[in-house]
Amino acid sequence: EMQLVESGGGLIQPGGSLRLSCAASGLTVSTNYMSWVRQAPGKGLEWVSVIYTGGDTYYADSVKGRFTISRDNSKNTLYLEMNSLRAEDTAVYYCARNLALDCWGQGTLVTVSS
Amino acid sequence: DIQMTQSPSSLSASVGDRVTITCRASQGISNSLAWYQQTPGKAPKLLLYAASRLESGVPSRFSGSGSGTDYTLTISSLQPEDFATYYCQQYYRTSWTFGQGTKVEIK
Repeated sequence: EMQLVESGGGLIQPGGSLRLSCAASGLTVSTNYMSWVRQAPGKGLEWVSVIYTGGDTYYADSVKGRFTISRDNSKNTLYLEMNSLRAEDTAVYYCARNLALDCWGQGTLVTVSS
Repeated sequence: DIQMTQSPSSLSASVGDRVTITCRASQGISNSLAWYQQTPGKAPKLLLYAASRLESGVPSRFSGSGSGTDYTLTISSLQPEDFATYYCQQYYRTSWTFGQGTKVEIK
């Protein structure tokens, strides 16, 4: 059974940094398109970033230059490095697989507040 | 970026009703469209991909149609477990984008 488990969320001050992890089981991160999607409290879904199987990465304009997606093939884990965090980055962050996102984690909450 | 305009933003319906949700893209997306269902506190669940292909395990009362810029999700006979929020998503071109969501509530 495929499973994605996010971790690393928490309360962080504006301007701070955080790294989210997404541990995969039952699927191989390096052979799948892997994305991060976020959802601010009470709001809709927002795609954040994707890493393709070949390593190409893409970002939403709202996070470009501040967030970095990466993966560790040996750990079968996806990451999202988040810098210069803003209040508007407060959200539940999900990792998900594929173009049509057919497998999601449970999400991890990031709260940016002083 | 491709903008996805979803309508209505909310609707009230009864069990057994036929429900239709539409999604319009700001440019053609060649059926690169997915539909998701989300209940409170849970991750979204994929219902359909490639505009009309049903994800494994999803009930056949869910169907999708459309082409070019205009797409539709139909629930043929609404069941109690279908009261949720539904999102469309285009994956034709990065940045991928979601519709604003449609909340289906009990009448």
